[in-house]
Amino acid sequence: EAQVTQNPRYLITVTGKKLTVTCSQNMNHEYMSWYRQDPGLGLRQIYYSMNVEVTDKGDVPEGYKVSRKEKRNFPLILESPSPNQTSLYFCASSPTSGSTDTQYFGPGTRLTVL
Amino acid sequence: GESVGLHLPTLSVQEGDNSIINCAYSNSASDYFIWYKQESGKGPQFIIDIRSNMDKRQGQRVTVLLNKTVKHLSLQIAATQPGDSAVYFCAESNSGGYQKVTFGTGTKLQVIP
Repeated sequence: EAQVTQNPRYLITVTGKKLTVTCSQNMNHEYMSWYRQDPGLGLRQIYYSMNVEVTDKGDVPEGYKVSRKEKRNFPLILESPSPNQTSLYFCASSPTSGSTDTQYFGPGTRLTVL
Repeated sequence: GESVGLHLPTLSVQEGDNSIINCAYSNSASDYFIWYKQESGKGPQFIIDIRSNMDKRQGQRVTVLLNKTVKHLSLQIAATQPGDSAVYFCAESNSGGYQKVTFGTGTKLQVIP
């Protein structure tokens, strides 16, 4: 089944403890992206990747890192999480970044930083 | 997720009626627009898109209208069904695709059986 998977789905952690949220797609998509979703603010783009080893900042990259060493995986790294990073995170992918392609979203990761 | 729907503008529609969800966008350079549907506990799902060289596009039971003069986008859902209950987001891009996408805050559609 074609899908975008994220792990973990739920995570409660403490300030300063490094964590990684994984994202994987099995559709051979070139483009992948991370968003955070907060009440009243909608989805905001954190980082995106046009292809392997090509990443760029979105609107809210501060406090996050990403890597794209292989096409299928696009992990989101929080080196030193803070409470303001408590949010619902979504990974998305599409065949390319072009508008002729549909973007597919993962199921979300709910992160709480205490 | 569940908390996404809180504090959002809500549109309540009787089952079988047509729904119109509106969105104002801010960037006059935006050239690609997308509507997403997000059900409780799930990620957003693509519904329909439109490029800036068009003012109307139709899909199955959905129509998107674009008015660039007033920077307004609308999503029309015909014969609204209970399964249409969700939060709807518009999104805009000025790269012609998903490269950098800005989402609106969303509208909650509640279908009354």
